[in-house]
Amino acid sequence: RKEVEQDPGPFNVPEGATVAFNCTYSNSASQSFFWYRQDCRKEPKLLMSVYSSGNEDGRFTAQLNRASQYISLLIRDSKLSDSATYLCVVRIPDSWGKFQFGAGTQVVVTP
Amino acid sequence: NAGVTQTPKFRILKIGQSMTLQCTQDMNHNYMYWYRQDPGMGLKLIYYSVGAGITDKGEVPNGYNVSRSTTEDFPLRLELAAPSQTSVYFCASRSLADTSTDTQYFGPGTRLTVL
Repeated sequence: RKEVEQDPGPFNVPEGATVAFNCTYSNSASQSFFWYRQDCRKEPKLLMSVYSSGNEDGRFTAQLNRASQYISLLIRDSKLSDSATYLCVVRIPDSWGKFQFGAGTQVVVTP
Repeated sequence: NAGVTQTPKFRILKIGQSMTLQCTQDMNHNYMYWYRQDPGMGLKLIYYSVGAGITDKGEVPNGYNVSRSTTEDFPLRLELAAPSQTSVYFCASRSLADTSTDTQYFGPGTRLTVL
């Protein structure tokens, strides 16, 4: 089993709609989780950090479910500019600052 | 404030050649990382550093070497390039003091092809 697993998609979403997708992680001791956005062939950029049960930033909401070991990302009122790959990242416990990346979920917002 | 810069942006190597990928950050960050990203895959950690003079292996260190003589610079050395090292290489940095967001700041990447 991969340590950080994501549905690769693509999730094709009409503009204005809501899309949600999950990321599962294998290490139950993990405490810090992140969603990064990566545009085609560009560097990843932090979208949000998730430390407790969840986090919200405008149209983006991240939820953490420790019992089932997954985090989710929900995008409301999707914009064309939301088209990107969303990377789930988990900080490795007791690792002096190492992180594990999922392979990413591709979102395509269509007019 | 340029953030994290990487050079070169693109490079084609022949099998067996060597090269150094440069990475510099101007944010005085303690942590620096080298990742590689293969098509359709997540980023995999090659090496990382928690400060000048301190480096450690990540998940996929074979075929690479690093050094960290200054806070700003973290070069990645490829010796005897192989086709399996064809990838996009990202350098990242992170501040030890940033406990609120734990953000990694990435450079624009180096696209390396080994033929």
